Amino acid sequence: QAQLVESGGALVKPGGSLRLSCAASGFPFSDYYMSWIRQVPGRGLEWVAHISSSGATPYIADSVKGRFTISRDNAENSLFLQMDTLRADDTALYYCARGLRADIFDVWGQGTMVTVSA
Amino acid sequence: YVLTQPPTLSVAPGKTATMACGGDEIGHKSVHWYQQRPGQAPVLVMHYDIERPSGIPDRFSGSNSGNTATLTITRVEAGDEADYYCQVWDSSSDHVLFGGGTKLTVL
Repeated sequence: QAQLVESGGALVKPGGSLRLSCAASGFPFSDYYMSWIRQVPGRGLEWVAHISSSGATPYIADSVKGRFTISRDNAENSLFLQMDTLRADDTALYYCARGLRADIFDVWGQGTMVTVSA
Repeated sequence: YVLTQPPTLSVAPGKTATMACGGDEIGHKSVHWYQQRPGQAPVLVMHYDIERPSGIPDRFSGSNSGNTATLTITRVEAGDEADYYCQVWDSSSDHVLFGGGTKLTVL
């Protein structure tokens, strides 16, 4: 069945960078939109970014625009999130999610934790 | 664009839970709903207002009209205790928006 496994989360200092990865399996990865969604522990969900099936059309939330970049490698069935100039308020659990369309998330990973702290 | 959900809802087992999601003319948008049990990733339980993904019991139903979308769970069970989030696509900003979530407690 469809599965998503995130990796790359870590403790990083403010101003630092991190690259998250999401490995997909069990479905034709190149046919689907993919997204990153984050959640501060104990708080609600916040959409971060999504990318079209071909990778040609990325959308980035205003809260991270100019600092985060979403990309994908369809040959490797992988999704990425490059996070630069990290801030304390980027601290969250980052989920990778498959999109039935750009905005309907039917498969989610278990998340990878990013902590930004000095 | 803002989606507003009541933060909490308590329902006795066997009763009906009705969760609201408010937004300006939300009836003109497609609303999707997610269930998140404690310590788990979200699960899609309703999309396009009224459509249940496969595997979601028919105790779950949805509606959307005017300024309020609603997720209804009939014959509530202990396993339904979770946070529920509504979500839309805001075409004016090309952004995905989530409501703040409703924590459903089964008494």
